[in-house]
Amino acid sequence: SSELTQDPAVSVALGQTVKITCQGDCLKTQYPSWYHQRPGRAPVLLFSGKDERPSGISRRFTGSKSGITAFLTITEAQAEDEGDYHCSSLDTRTTYVIFGGGTRLTVL
Amino acid sequence: QVLFQESGPGLVEPSETLSLSCTVSGPSIRSDYWGWVRQSPGKGLEWVGYVRHGDYSFFNPSLRNRVTISIGASESRVSLRLTSVTAADTGFYFCVRGIRGYHTSGYDYSYFDLWGQGTQVTVSS
Repeated sequence: SSELTQDPAVSVALGQTVKITCQGDCLKTQYPSWYHQRPGRAPVLLFSGKDERPSGISRRFTGSKSGITAFLTITEAQAEDEGDYHCSSLDTRTTYVIFGGGTRLTVL
Repeated sequence: QVLFQESGPGLVEPSETLSLSCTVSGPSIRSDYWGWVRQSPGKGLEWVGYVRHGDYSFFNPSLRNRVTISIGASESRVSLRLTSVTAADTGFYFCVRGIRGYHTSGYDYSYFDLWGQGTQVTVSS
């Protein structure tokens, strides 16, 4: 079965740009969905597996992909961007949903 | 306005059955997929499973033998039943709406666009 690998933690200076990565064989043919989760809160969809940003999500968040690695780029990082970022996709062979381990973003 | 009302026992004894309920206000649960995602303390997200009213259902293979998800369309309710629970089932359980489809670029996709606030479940004697 496929796995999605994320860096456990990333930091960015206030106002700067950061790329959060998600790697997995299934991403060769798919775009992942991305979620932001603040402490004690439910995750919020940032980017769908259709490579679309839901309405209401800031244009500071963009998704991209190269080979088996997907990127969530956050520009002009704000304090409110802190929290955990999760990627998710479908296992190519089984078509079951899989999640990465999550990346904790700290805004310095 | 979308509103999820999740409810559950909070504490379940090992080897017992966990039952959670989620009442949805706003979107119809007769379309799309409805199910659960859980999160163990300090860990990442884990998909439990989801079902679509009247036809398909998908479950995490690691839980498939123990999990049942049902939709009560008339009550707009999504229910989870997890049997033979252990401490590993402790965590936050989120009621979710799942979108699943086929992209014109030639791949299947699935994502969760609506999330409940979650309900805490602790398995302990």
